Amino acid sequence: KAGVTQTPRYLIKTRGQQVTLSCSPISGHRSVSWYQQTPGQGLQFLFEYFSETQRNKGNFPGRFSGRQFSNSRSEMNVSTLELGDSALYLCASSLIGAPGTEAFFGQGTRLTVV
Amino acid sequence: GQQVMQIPQYQHVQEGEDFTTYCNSSTTLSNIQWYKQRPGGHPVFLIQLVKSGEVKKQKRLTFQFGEAKKNSSLHITATQTTDVGTYFCAAFVNQAGTALIFGKGTTLSVSS
Repeated sequence: KAGVTQTPRYLIKTRGQQVTLSCSPISGHRSVSWYQQTPGQGLQFLFEYFSETQRNKGNFPGRFSGRQFSNSRSEMNVSTLELGDSALYLCASSLIGAPGTEAFFGQGTRLTVV
Repeated sequence: GQQVMQIPQYQHVQEGEDFTTYCNSSTTLSNIQWYKQRPGGHPVFLIQLVKSGEVKKQKRLTFQFGEAKKNSSLHITATQTTDVGTYFCAAFVNQAGTALIFGKGTTLSVSS
């Protein structure tokens, strides 16, 4: 069974640009969450989707957005990139969309903003 | 808002020594999860604790959930170089989904 797939793995963007990251969850998983990981702030929750609906949102500015498609694949978009957006962006999927289930993480997308 | 604090931030041990990381929450938790992230890797689920005072073991790893369900610990006995990585505790943001709040993690290094 394939794991969580994130594309691309690495990305370099310039300040002011926008970027779209993709996440394909494990087959059958309907819950997808996104996290930002930086050395200073650690793992921070961005948003969670379940059945194409955003169910939870973290404390990030509106430049960060996401969506989920009918096949459970998810994308996140960051507009007007800032240097501080450089981070590892991790996607996690869960089989059951309820608390108490294990989260399976993808390898992440390493975003560098220059 | 809900916070999960984890200490220490870093720990270096000699191979064979024990290691413990502690996690504390400002609120009572319904459950707590632990993840391990190897250098250059992604977080991998280790275990979930649900009951007050619960203790679970996985080989050399012992996980505890406090009686008040506000703290948890992970103890590794006789560390090995394969234990190197960052250990995170995590709690659910709310009961309406699977979003997690993570502690800052404890990075363990082991010298042989």
